[in-house]
Amino acid sequence: DVKVTQSSRYLVKRTGEKVFLECVQDMDHENMFWYRQDPGLGLRLIYFSYDVKMKEKGDIPEGYSVSREKKERFSLILESASTNQTSMYLCANSPRGTGGETQYFGPGTRLLVL
Amino acid sequence: GEDVEQSLFLSVREGDSSVINCTYTDSSSTYLYWYKQEPGAGLQLLTYIFSNMDMKQDQRLTVLLNKKDKHLSLRIADTQTGDSAIYFCAEKVRGYQKVTFGTGTKLQVIP
Repeated sequence: DVKVTQSSRYLVKRTGEKVFLECVQDMDHENMFWYRQDPGLGLRLIYFSYDVKMKEKGDIPEGYSVSREKKERFSLILESASTNQTSMYLCANSPRGTGGETQYFGPGTRLLVL
Repeated sequence: GEDVEQSLFLSVREGDSSVINCTYTDSSSTYLYWYKQEPGAGLQLLTYIFSNMDMKQDQRLTVLLNKKDKHLSLRIADTQTGDSAIYFCAEKVRGYQKVTFGTGTKLQVIP
């Protein structure tokens, strides 16, 4: 059974803390994505990576950075957490291709910044 | 850039049909997806259609595409309480890796 795991289901942090969210996939897929999900706004792409050490900004990269040192692992970093980063964070991955490749999602991390 | 829009909420009675609507903006060769998100979980693909198709049926699910109006719909026949979830429409332009998601429609099924 294919798996996408995220390091935490729930996380509580304080304003100004550095926060690491980890995502691991066992599907050997090239593409990995980080989204945040907010009510009424749907999923918004923060960053994605199409290969090891490669990254591309999504629609809302401000306040975030990412790291992809290994193919199976994609980390999202909040350099200095703020209350407006309270959200559900979803990791996804897909094979590289030009057709209708599916994205496979992790269960999400609900982050609360106090 | 791509923009995908959905209504936020739909309520139906168990056994009725549900129709969830979506509009998209890109006019290129496009894949259009429906994903389902159950409470506390990530998204799971239900079905997808390429923009050269008009319709796709898979058991209780029917996807209809109106290319002229850039309108996509998902019909769920005989809706069950287990269908209660958030349904996301999404768009992927052929040749690109990025997917654009809509706001999601929360489907409530009343027993």
